[in-house]
Amino acid sequence: EDQVTQSPEALRLQEGESSSLNCSYTVSGLRGLFWYRQDPGKGPEFLFTLYSAGEEKEKERLKATLTKKESFLHITAPKPEDSATYLCAVVRFSGGYNKLIFGAGTRLAVHP
Amino acid sequence: DSGVTQTPKHLITATGQRVTLRCSPRSGDLSVYWYQQSLDQGLQFLIQYYNGEERAKGNILERFSAQQFPDLHSELNLSSLELGDSALYFCASSAGTRGTGELFFGEGSRLTVL
Repeated sequence: EDQVTQSPEALRLQEGESSSLNCSYTVSGLRGLFWYRQDPGKGPEFLFTLYSAGEEKEKERLKATLTKKESFLHITAPKPEDSATYLCAVVRFSGGYNKLIFGAGTRLAVHP
Repeated sequence: DSGVTQTPKHLITATGQRVTLRCSPRSGDLSVYWYQQSLDQGLQFLIQYYNGEERAKGNILERFSAQQFPDLHSELNLSSLELGDSALYFCASSAGTRGTGELFFGEGSRLTVL
């Protein structure tokens, strides 16, 4: 069964303390891995798309990487405004159409 | 602002009742998706429409139904509501038909069933 597992469930960092979030997946025929950011009470906001192992994408303090079994979201020198839930998702092809399957997310809190 | 509009933002109702959630996609987007987010289940895909036609179905209960109208707005109808239906319901849109991972989400409708 296709699965997306994110770890840790929650992470508390001090401002400037770099870290990584993990997303491991088991899916038949990966058609893309996606990272989203979700602020409390808001809808998820798209961050990155990764399609093949070895691919990397960067945006400000965030860098996403992909291997054959997992993806990492590296946060360099985080600021309090980076506090949010980070969601990982994979596209599964089923019934003739692509479906986006989300992990449970990692709640990140960055303290000054 | 994602460009996706959802109404109402909050809704409180009683068990057994029926509610309708409304979504207007981003200008030009033909695909609309509905997701349910609860504390214990995470973000669960319910259903997708493309240009008025149902294209993909997820874990949508038989008590729930949706449609997309000619002007591309969509409605999610929830009936015979149960306590467990309390959740955030998100609408998302994208330009494509086959479904990609780059979706634009609205701010959600928070449903509380008492």
